[in-house]
Amino acid sequence: NAGVMQNPRHLVRRRGQEARLRCSPMKGHSHVYWYRQLPEEGLKFMVYLQKENIIDESGMPKERFSAEFPKEGPSILRIQQVVRGDSAAYFCASSAGVVQETQYFGPGTRLLVL
Amino acid sequence: RKEVEQDPGPFNVPEGATVAFNCTYSNSASQSFFWYRQDCRKEPKLLMSVYSSGNEDGRFTAQLNRASQYISLLIRDSKLSDSATYLCVVIGSRGSTLGRLYFGRGTQLTVWP
Repeated sequence: NAGVMQNPRHLVRRRGQEARLRCSPMKGHSHVYWYRQLPEEGLKFMVYLQKENIIDESGMPKERFSAEFPKEGPSILRIQQVVRGDSAAYFCASSAGVVQETQYFGPGTRLLVL
Repeated sequence: RKEVEQDPGPFNVPEGATVAFNCTYSNSASQSFFWYRQDCRKEPKLLMSVYSSGNEDGRFTAQLNRASQYISLLIRDSKLSDSATYLCVVIGSRGSTLGRLYFGRGTQLTVWP
């Protein structure tokens, strides 16, 4: 009974490169959330997706960041032209429903931009 | 004003001590509340949900005061393994915030032998 899976666990990029972070939700979960945790900060909501739909992307920077959750395959968080300030832990969570449903977190991807 | 405010600590307590964490939330319409635990460089893990009537799980007791918009977590008989950061979490309940988790910055606890 696999939990939420994320890969890669660690990602190093140089400024200007692209970062692709993947998240496979728990079996049976169709709701995916992405959160970012900057060093010494709390987790901040970025985007909420259901299969093939972005429900709420208000927490995601409008430029350089995009997210998708295709019909088949994992959810992808894509960061184009990374900058040093993008260095953070990116956590994905999934749930079976929305209101009052527990969100289960993946192990996170730690992005380091050199 | 932040959606969820917590005292960041750190709290340093001996084994066996009782320790309490508090948090406040700003949206009076919020319906669901949780405490998560996060170990260093790990993902948050659900510790317990918080209900209006209060709930207890072993050494852990969570309380909610809706009138004051205040949530608490009490840990009795602290163990070394309780050392972690405790995150107060409120779930968005309306419109565009539906389902979104709002996290406090976390309260760091260290239990020493």
